[in-house]
Amino acid sequence: QVQLQESGPGLVKPSGTLSLTCAVSGGSISSGNWWSWVRQPPGKGLEWIGEIYHSGSTNYNPSLKSRVTISVDKSKNQFSLRLSSVTAADTALYYCARGFCSGGACYGAFDIWGQGTMVTVSS
Amino acid sequence: DIQMTQSPSTLSASVGDRVTITCRASQSIVSWLAWYQQKPGKAPKLLIYKASSLESGVPSRFSGSGSGTEFTLTISSLQPDDFATYYCQQYNSYGWTFGQGTKVEIK
Repeated sequence: QVQLQESGPGLVKPSGTLSLTCAVSGGSISSGNWWSWVRQPPGKGLEWIGEIYHSGSTNYNPSLKSRVTISVDKSKNQFSLRLSSVTAADTALYYCARGFCSGGACYGAFDIWGQGTMVTVSS
Repeated sequence: DIQMTQSPSTLSASVGDRVTITCRASQSIVSWLAWYQQKPGKAPKLLIYKASSLESGVPSRFSGSGSGTEFTLTISSLQPDDFATYYCQQYNSYGWTFGQGTKVEIK
């Protein structure tokens, strides 16, 4: 079955750029699903960051859009997140997730998640 | 942004209880709502999509209802494995947004 695994630096300096990668295994990133990033600050709720389709089409959370870039590498079956100009408020557990499709329709919900990777913004 | 508000924030219940969690949207999201269960240290798990459709493999004691701006998640008979935090999420309009969560605790 499809599995997702996040990777990237666990510590980023303020004003720097956060970069994470999500490796997709057990299935193809070109399967017809959208692929998302979601984050969760310690002890808090969930925030959707953005999504990408295998064609390269993207949608971003308007509140983060100016700082976010999501890209896809079909040859490596992975997608990536870059978040620029980070502050302490960007400290969070970052998840990658697969957009849910059923019965030929796709929804903005998420049925498969990675285990998450903690990113701390600190000098 | 569409704001999602869950109530209560915390709920204390016993095994066997019927539990209901409410989620309200700041504007109509039709039926484009999902529910998730999250346990400590784990990723969220999809329970319900399109407000009332049960994801494959999810026990039938979980059910969802509602449309427009008001939605509910019901657990018909709470089991020990159900003590967790539950989130609603709208996917009617970008950017998708989540409720703040409801923690279901042991009474």
